[in-house]
Amino acid sequence: DAMVIQNPRYQVTQFGKPVTLSCSQTLNHNVMYWYQQKSSQAPKLLFHYYDKDFNNEADTPDNFQSRRPNTSFCFLDIRSPGLGDAAMYLCATSRASGYEQYFGPGTRLTVT
Amino acid sequence: AQRVTQPEKLLSVFKGAPVELKCNYSYSGSPELFWYVQYSRQRLQLLLRHISRESIKGFTADLNKGETSFHLKKPFAQEEDSAMYYCALQEGSQGNLIFGKGTKLSVKP
Repeated sequence: DAMVIQNPRYQVTQFGKPVTLSCSQTLNHNVMYWYQQKSSQAPKLLFHYYDKDFNNEADTPDNFQSRRPNTSFCFLDIRSPGLGDAAMYLCATSRASGYEQYFGPGTRLTVT
Repeated sequence: AQRVTQPEKLLSVFKGAPVELKCNYSYSGSPELFWYVQYSRQRLQLLLRHISRESIKGFTADLNKGETSFHLKKPFAQEEDSAMYYCALQEGSQGNLIFGKGTKLSVKP
């Protein structure tokens, strides 16, 4: 089945220790998104790629970076995780802007 | 500022009862609105979008620009409708979504 895959599903990292979350897709979609969702909060868009074009949301902290080496993969790098970065991180894809977004299962990040 | 408000964190109804999940939005342009659903242990997925004007799993939602609302309705709730429901607003030409905080619907037998 074509889908959006996130690895790992659960990630524990130490305060200040860099961590990378992974997303891959078999849908061949042009757009890939990263959302942060804290407990009882709305998913919040961090950034997205349209093909190789990177689009950062204005209020995304500099601590968060992203890479998209090819169509299928997109990574979220957190350079120095703080306790406040503990959240569920959702990856989504869409064929183009304005089309339905397909979500991965999410990675739950814990910062100790 | 663009905003999506879902006033109810939790909505509990009995099977067969009507259900309405409220969503209000704030947007300066012409809005495109969506309902996404997340069933237990499943991923977030699109339920319906206002421009398609269709009924999915018995759910409908009408955009009311005067009241800036996009409430989700179903006349007879089923137990399998129990899930987390998120209203979302598409922002601008890039298609970014602004989500509400979600309403957890619990349908009791």
